[in-house]
Amino acid sequence: KAGVTQTPRYLIKTRGQQVTLSCSPISGHRSVSWYQQTPGQGLQFLFEYFSETQRNKGNFPGRFSGRQFSNSRSEMNVSTLELGDSALYLCASSQGQGALMGGYTFGSGTRLTVV
Amino acid sequence: KNQVEQSPQSLIILEGKNCTLQCNYTVSPFSNLRWYKQDTGRGPVSLTIMTFSENTKSNGRYTATLDADTKQSSLHITASQLSDSASYICVVKLTNNAGNMLTFGGGTRLMVKP
Repeated sequence: KAGVTQTPRYLIKTRGQQVTLSCSPISGHRSVSWYQQTPGQGLQFLFEYFSETQRNKGNFPGRFSGRQFSNSRSEMNVSTLELGDSALYLCASSQGQGALMGGYTFGSGTRLTVV
Repeated sequence: KNQVEQSPQSLIILEGKNCTLQCNYTVSPFSNLRWYKQDTGRGPVSLTIMTFSENTKSNGRYTATLDADTKQSSLHITASQLSDSASYICVVKLTNNAGNMLTFGGGTRLMVKP
């Protein structure tokens, strides 16, 4: 059973540019959530999607957006990149909302560096 | 405000020794608490998941405890190995009308030395 796949693994972008990250969840998982991890702030929740709908959103500016497709794959977009957006972006998939014991399986992340 | 606090921030122990990591949380409404292990440059990997009714959960040499009254959890590692060197993250899940949200602790960075 394939795990959570995130692409690309590494990315270097220039300030002001925009970037799109991709996440393919475990087959059968319908929920995808995104997180930002930095040395200073640790792991922070960005948003969660279930059945193509954003269900929860963390405290991030509107430059951070996402979407989920009918096959449960998800993309995250960051526009007008800032130096502070440099981070490891992780996505996690789970079987679905309301699954009390549903495990969250994380991908290996996309390391974004903004220069 | 939903918060998860972990201690210590970092820890160095000798191979073969035991250690205990702490997690205090103020998250509501509480759904469950998870401990994850994260190797450098990799995504977190789940170790244990506990609901409010569970006091102890083991996974090999890892044993997690939960006191829902005091809102404290601990992760005990027995007979540490060099491969245990990693960050250990306490994560509390809350479920509200909008859905699920994970709140993360800052992690404890464990280094096991030979």
